[in-house]
Amino acid sequence: NAGVTQTPKFRVLKTGQSMTLLCAQDMNHEYMYWYRQDPGMGLRLIHYSVGEGTTAKGEVPDGYNVSRLKKQNFLLGLESAAPSQTSVYFCATRGGNYNEQFFGPGTRLTVL
Amino acid sequence: AQSVSQHNHHVILSEAASLELGCNYSYGGTVNLFWYVQYPGQHLQLLLKYFSGDPLVKGIKGFEAEFIKSKFSFNLRKPSVQWSDTAEYFCAVNAGDMRFGAGTRLTVKP
Repeated sequence: NAGVTQTPKFRVLKTGQSMTLLCAQDMNHEYMYWYRQDPGMGLRLIHYSVGEGTTAKGEVPDGYNVSRLKKQNFLLGLESAAPSQTSVYFCATRGGNYNEQFFGPGTRLTVL
Repeated sequence: AQSVSQHNHHVILSEAASLELGCNYSYGGTVNLFWYVQYPGQHLQLLLKYFSGDPLVKGIKGFEAEFIKSKFSFNLRKPSVQWSDTAEYFCAVNAGDMRFGAGTRLTVKP
């Protein structure tokens, strides 16, 4: 089992460009999350989904959109990238007996 | 809203020193508590978790944590750290909504 995978691993964008980050999971978990990780700020929740076809805003949703058309995929979109969105983005699922989260390897995004 | 506080931003220890990383949270109801570790260049991995029962939980690689309900704390400990423990450590609390602390960077000098 691959667990949680993310593509791409690295990306450099210019201000104003758009892109989509893909998260895929083969764990059959209902819950999926997108976080951003910035130095000294830990992980902050951008958006999450409690199941196929549903999405909800997290702590820092502005400038991002998400879609969960299939249970196994959770897409994070940046319509018009800004330098403030330079970060490492982690996808996670939630499941197991203790509702623990399982993380993907991360995507390092730089916006120039 | 619930919050998670990690007291130390950066801890530097020599090998074989003992470690204790503080974590406090601000939610009064039933919580699930976690410590995650992130080795350089890698993603977060679960170190240990508390769900119920014995408040002293043991995780991988010799780590343990103690849940003290009266203090809203879940501190991480290890009696003797190794160079390979150099990483960032995140405390997390799940009370319906998972919240992470800002993280503590641990550097272990050989």
